Formats: sequence, C-alpha cells, structure tokens
Amino acid sequence: GENVEQHPSTLSVQEGDSAVIKCTYSDSASNYFPWYKQELGKRPQLIIDIRSNVGEKKDQRIAVTLNKTAKHFSLHITETQPEDSAVYFCAASTSYDKVIFGPGTSLSVIP
Amino acid sequence: NAGVTQTPKFQVLKTGQSMTLQCAQDMNHNSMYWYRQDPGMGLRLIYYSASEGTTDKGEVPNGYNVSRLNKREFSLRLESAAPSQTSVYFCASSDYSWVDGYTFGSGTRLTVV
Repeated sequence: GENVEQHPSTLSVQEGDSAVIKCTYSDSASNYFPWYKQELGKRPQLIIDIRSNVGEKKDQRIAVTLNKTAKHFSLHITETQPEDSAVYFCAASTSYDKVIFGPGTSLSVIP
Repeated sequence: NAGVTQTPKFQVLKTGQSMTLQCAQDMNHNSMYWYRQDPGMGLRLIYYSASEGTTDKGEVPNGYNVSRLNKREFSLRLESAAPSQTSVYFCASSDYSWVDGYTFGSGTRLTVV
C-alpha cells in the first residue's frame, strides 16, 4: 500500500521568512496530493491540493510542487506569519477513494 | 449545516470494555472514513466506506469494527478496548468530486486505562 514520508518533523522560522516541507510517496499510481493544516486542539483542514496532471499550484502565500518522476511533492509558505504556526500534513491518494497521510510537520513561526 | 458531527468528544474506558464512536454528516457525501491520530504518527486510516453499503479496511483495522448505517452515519466500534487504542479519533467525509477534500469531525479523545 501507499506510504508517505514527510520532512522535517519540526520546523522553526522567523516571521516573514519562507518555510518548505517535503514529502515522498511510494505508490506510483497516486494521483491526488492534498495538504492539511491542524491548529492545536482543532480538526485538520484542507489548505491546498494538487493533482497529478499539474506540476505546481499557488494560492496566495502557499504553493505546492509535484515531481511525479521522483515521487515527491513540497509545500512552500512565503512571508510566514504567526498564525501559520500549526501541524501540516501531506497526503497521497490513488483513485480518490482514501487518503494516506504523512506523519506531520510542526511549524513554529517566531515573531 | 453542522458538517461532520462526532460523539462523544471525550471518553475514558477500562481495558476490556466496549464502546461505539458515532459519526454523522449532513453534506450528502458518499464516502466516510475513520482515522486515529497519535503523536508523531500522523493520521492513520482505520476503516473507510466508499459508498453506502460498503466498508473496507485501512492501514490499522485490527481491534475495530465499523458499520455504515446509512448514507449519513458511519460508526466505529471497539469490542474489547486496549491501552494501545488510546488516541484521538477523527471521522471524515468526502464527495466523489474531491473539490473540498475531506471534511473532518471535531474528534473524540479516547483514553483506555
């Protein structure tokens, strides 16, 4: 089955700097790659996703890139703000019927 | 719209006791899922139901059973709770378009002593 790895497990950045989280997946049939943000004590929420037919997608300060050949994808957050502090999960899915998550990255943005 | 509703929010069980976690969604989604969340291990899929009347095992199904009661409801049962099942449990739902990804419930924090 699918296996998703995620690095780093923790990340601290100064406010205004960029943050990058990298993930790899094992199943070459995976075709949907969402990213979820989970604030402390709350439920995960979808922040952006990318499908296998595109290499990059942007939404304001966040962007995702996908390299299907290498089976890795990344989340980029620019101009980080304290409210970006949270745990971020990457995930992968084949056939859109279930999603397998990575172990998460705890991001701290230092004011 | 309530979205995805889970009950209870908190529960303490003794080893060997049984309980059922309830999940209901009002978004007319076809697919429903149960995940557990443990520190450093992310969200691991226990069981899922791609449509009413079907259920399938996920990554960590041992010790659990599920029932897709109807399109709205998907319950998770622990027949004989073990301390290793101490976790936060999330229910989620999605439709076939995946435009909005998963909608998660607020979670159930379960402690087995």
